Amino acid sequence: AQSVTQPDIHITVSEGASLELRCNYSYGATPYLFWYVQSPGQGLQLLLKYFSGDTLVQGIKGFEAEFKRSQSSFNLRKPSVHWSDAAEYFCAVGATGANNLFFGTGTRLTVIP
Amino acid sequence: EAQVTQNPRYLITVTGKKLTVTCSQNMNHEYMSWYRQDPGLGLRQIYYSMNVEVTDKGDVPEGYKVSRKEKRNFPLILESPSPNQTSLYFCASSLKRGTDTQYFGPGTRLTVL
Repeated sequence: AQSVTQPDIHITVSEGASLELRCNYSYGATPYLFWYVQSPGQGLQLLLKYFSGDTLVQGIKGFEAEFKRSQSSFNLRKPSVHWSDAAEYFCAVGATGANNLFFGTGTRLTVIP
Repeated sequence: EAQVTQNPRYLITVTGKKLTVTCSQNMNHEYMSWYRQDPGLGLRQIYYSMNVEVTDKGDVPEGYKVSRKEKRNFPLILESPSPNQTSLYFCASSLKRGTDTQYFGPGTRLTVL
């Protein structure tokens, strides 16, 4: 059965520090992988996605993620966090030919001055 | 402007009083979906639709109904709401499948007393 694990419920970082949010998945097929961000009071917005090819994916707002098949991971990174990055981040996985995505439980990011 | 709209944004109701949450998209998307978001559980899919008159259950369909009579609209119906349906609800759409980029509405905060 497919599953997505985001082991960190809440992360606090200082503005300007680097960030890494973890995502592990369990999927029987070649996965499609996504990171979405939810700002307070808003819907979700796509940050980046991986379908195939280069395993390092660049997204919006300076985020990137790396697909590591051997570790079943798709961690999200940003070299220098801005206060406006405070939000909840969701990893999601889908399979080739599948209709739907499975979302992780989310990681809430707090940015302190 | 390309968008997904939901109405109402906030709703407080009582147990057993039928309600409908509307969802509309202006992107001519074939795929539409409803999710509920609960603390610690992330997003869970309620129902989805691959096209007009084609709907299917997601992971948590009990107590909900949907219809897809027009491509742009995908209302969520709670025939007899109960307190355990108190949640934040999101509608989303994508071009063809859930594994395409999904565009989310702003959410509907529902409280059932």
